[in-house]
Amino acid sequence: KQEVTQIPAALSVPEGENLVLNCSFTDSAIYNLQWFRQDPGKGLTSLLLIQSSQREQTSGRLNASLDKSSGRSTLYIAASQPGDSATYLCALLSNSGGSNYKLTFGKGTLLTVNP
Amino acid sequence: NAGVMQNPRHLVRRRGQEARLRCSPMKGHSHVYWYRQLPEEGLKFMVYLQKENIIDESGMPKERFSAEFPKEGPSILRIQQVVRGDSAAYFCASSPPIGTTRFYEQYFGPGTRLTVT
Repeated sequence: KQEVTQIPAALSVPEGENLVLNCSFTDSAIYNLQWFRQDPGKGLTSLLLIQSSQREQTSGRLNASLDKSSGRSTLYIAASQPGDSATYLCALLSNSGGSNYKLTFGKGTLLTVNP
Repeated sequence: NAGVMQNPRHLVRRRGQEARLRCSPMKGHSHVYWYRQLPEEGLKFMVYLQKENIIDESGMPKERFSAEFPKEGPSILRIQQVVRGDSAAYFCASSPPIGTTRFYEQYFGPGTRLTVT
């Protein structure tokens, strides 16, 4: 059974700092991995999707990496801004057991960027 | 192209009442997924539906919960005789048809926040 862990659970940084959010998973048989952003009381916004054959994806100040062999992904945020404050969720689409449509989520990292 | 729509956004029910949550997938999407986010928990898969078919309901509680995706109209998640433990955010996602390159990418709606008093 796939399990996804996100560390740290909460992170507070001053504006302008570069930061890394971590995601680890137990089963390397994944189809893809996504990073989402969730604002309080709102839905999920997809930030980056990495296919299992890829090592990283970049979008603006965001860079996500994937290392299947070690069961890890990181989300790097450069030059953080107060508007980046949100909960960041890591989710995997497993590629085993014929259920390659169920996303398995971590509990998220609550990021606060202080002005 | 409108995104995934869910209504209502907030729903308050008393214990024992029924809750009906609606989800309209993105245009052209034929697959719908429901996830539940309990307080302090991650999102958990509940059910996967195609038009008129339940493909996988392994994440649904065995009693009181049901889901449908009729030929016409939105997908409905129905919770009968709600209890306080059903209070959560319920998210719907949709994806394009199988065989398209983006089938494995799910697009989420804003969620319905259910409060049971």
